[in-house]
Amino acid sequence: GQQLNQSPQSMFIQEGEDVSMNCTSSSIFNTWLWYKQDPGEGPVLLIALYKAGELTSNGRLTAQFGITRKDSFLNISASIPSDVGIYFCAGQMGSQGNLIFGKGTKLSVKP
Amino acid sequence: DTGVSQNPRHKITKRGQNVTFRCDPISEHNRLYWYRQTLGQGPEFLTYFQNEAQLEKSRLLSDRFSAERPKGSFSTLEIQRTEQGDSAMYLCASSLGWGSEQYFGPGTRLTVT
Repeated sequence: GQQLNQSPQSMFIQEGEDVSMNCTSSSIFNTWLWYKQDPGEGPVLLIALYKAGELTSNGRLTAQFGITRKDSFLNISASIPSDVGIYFCAGQMGSQGNLIFGKGTKLSVKP
Repeated sequence: DTGVSQNPRHKITKRGQNVTFRCDPISEHNRLYWYRQTLGQGPEFLTYFQNEAQLEKSRLLSDRFSAERPKGSFSTLEIQRTEQGDSAMYLCASSLGWGSEQYFGPGTRLTVT
């Protein structure tokens, strides 16, 4: 099925560092969402974006809805060990109810 | 706990057997979605309901798969004559309506031997 282009695939960082990941698509989306998934669990919603250009924060997380409506990024500041996991972007198109997901960014944090 | 719940969490079955999974959405949510996730991939959409009506089905949903939401509350996903390729995590999500956030359950991990 259709998927978004998410990068990087994986990141190994030191505790305290900032992290940036992004998602791009050839299609326009009306909504962008960012999820975190731990092994064996379902995705947990981190941030939802509804408007082109929107910048939204949730604690140490900041995400933006690209002005072209074809991309989004997620930043994590001052990473901590519990940030470890797989981060997924997901987009929703105009008339469809379903989400289209990226392949995920696996984040590893060294204490 | 008022989140989305799924049962069972794990299911091991032999090829050719039928399996059924249940999803209980967040109580006031009228939309319910089923996704499938294989290792190293993001979730892929299968089907969704608005109340009891099944509004969209992905081409991934072969004729061996059937989903119901009889009273607009919980939903079941049945897979008939399971195949090894059906092994995956089956995720359920719910939302208040179109365009609003989708909240996921913990998933059901299916292993077909």
